[in-house]
Amino acid sequence: EPEVTQTPSHQVTQMGQEVILHCVPISNHLYFYWYRQILGQKVEFLVSFYNNEISEKSEIFDDQFSVERPDGSNFTLKIRSTKLEDSAMYFCASSPGRGTEAFFGQGTRLTVV
Amino acid sequence: AQSVAQPEDQVNVAEGNPLTVKCTYSVSGNPYLFWYVQYPNRGLQFLLKYITGDNLVKGSYGFEAEFNKSQTSFHLKKPSALVSDSALYFCAVRDSGGYQKVTFGTGTKLQVIP
Repeated sequence: EPEVTQTPSHQVTQMGQEVILHCVPISNHLYFYWYRQILGQKVEFLVSFYNNEISEKSEIFDDQFSVERPDGSNFTLKIRSTKLEDSAMYFCASSPGRGTEAFFGQGTRLTVV
Repeated sequence: AQSVAQPEDQVNVAEGNPLTVKCTYSVSGNPYLFWYVQYPNRGLQFLLKYITGDNLVKGSYGFEAEFNKSQTSFHLKKPSALVSDSALYFCAVRDSGGYQKVTFGTGTKLQVIP
């Protein structure tokens, strides 16, 4: 069964450093997302990406965040200068079209120290 | 703005008994509704969805949910709970006419007692 793959599973970084989280969505999907979950709390939407551009973003997704689909298979989330409060589980997801469910990866646990 | 409410932080049920996890929603247009389950240190697994059609939708692992438009609810149910159903359950909604953003509830921890 196809699945969304995220790497690494756990990333530790120092405050102020840049971090890139990697995702390989399901191959025939068209919509891509990043969500985050702080310590078992609510799952929060960050950004959606369609047709090689951001289609929607939340207020959390400020100038420190960016996304990229560099090669047609990977979908990355970059945080330019990490803060302690960026520590969370980051989930990548993809869906084949509008009105369909999103399939989530296993997540990357980001710890900023 | 769209929102989801899961009024119960935790639901306890005895194994073999029916279970219900409650969810209410708010959207400006027609809703697309979803249930996801999260096991410890794992990602979100899709259980079921309501897009259109029958109000009672059936999903994975024997779960079902009933869409009630007048009460703006989408409660998750299962006739007979298993200990392995113990997990964190998230209800989610998006506006059918809007963007792709899906809004999640705060989650309900289901504890099935042997």
